[in-house]
Amino acid sequence: EAGVVQSPRYKIIEKKQPVAFWCNPISGHNTLYWYRQNLGQGPELLIRYENEEAVDDSQLPKDRFSAERLKGVDSTLKIQPAELGDSAVYLCASSSGTSGTISYEQYFGPGTRLTVT
Amino acid sequence: AQSVTQLDSHVSVSEGTPVLLRCNYSSSYSPSLFWYVQHPNKGLQLLLKYTSAATLVKGINGFEAEFKKSETSFHLTKPSAHMSDAAEYFCVVSAAEDTGGFKTIFGAGTRLFVKA
Repeated sequence: EAGVVQSPRYKIIEKKQPVAFWCNPISGHNTLYWYRQNLGQGPELLIRYENEEAVDDSQLPKDRFSAERLKGVDSTLKIQPAELGDSAVYLCASSSGTSGTISYEQYFGPGTRLTVT
Repeated sequence: AQSVTQLDSHVSVSEGTPVLLRCNYSSSYSPSLFWYVQHPNKGLQLLLKYTSAATLVKGINGFEAEFKKSETSFHLTKPSAHMSDAAEYFCVVSAAEDTGGFKTIFGAGTRLFVKA
């Protein structure tokens, strides 16, 4: 079974330029997450989708970040314009969501390492 | 609201000795708890999970964790460390919120060093 696929793996851009990251979740997973992980820190949630609906985007800097999950499968995260502080690893994860009080485990992609110069 | 605290940012052990990585959590509702491992320049891999079944959970590579509700802890242990265990470990809590949704919080991580 294929895991979570992300592309590109690495991206170097100059500040003020746009950048986009793509994620293909595990087949059948209705919940998709985007995280940002700064060096030496744990991942921080940016946005969570259930199918095509963004159910938690409270931590997404909406002035420059946007995301979409058309048809409830693949997702794209965009930054425009990028700032120096956006340099980080962007992780995509997927899961079967929740059932009652239980949260199912998340499966992570390899991440995209973004460097903004 | 929930939170998670990993009590040690770094832990150093000798190969063959026990490993203990500590995690405390807080949650208004019944939590699901996870431990993930991240090797350098690699993705996050699930070690084990607690989702309201047995309180002693066994995971991959000989790791296990015990859910202690009275102590709000979910410490990760392994009887004998191996050099390949050197990595960053994250404790994760996920639980319902008053708004009706779910929230997942990662701890800051514990870096495990294993000495030969």
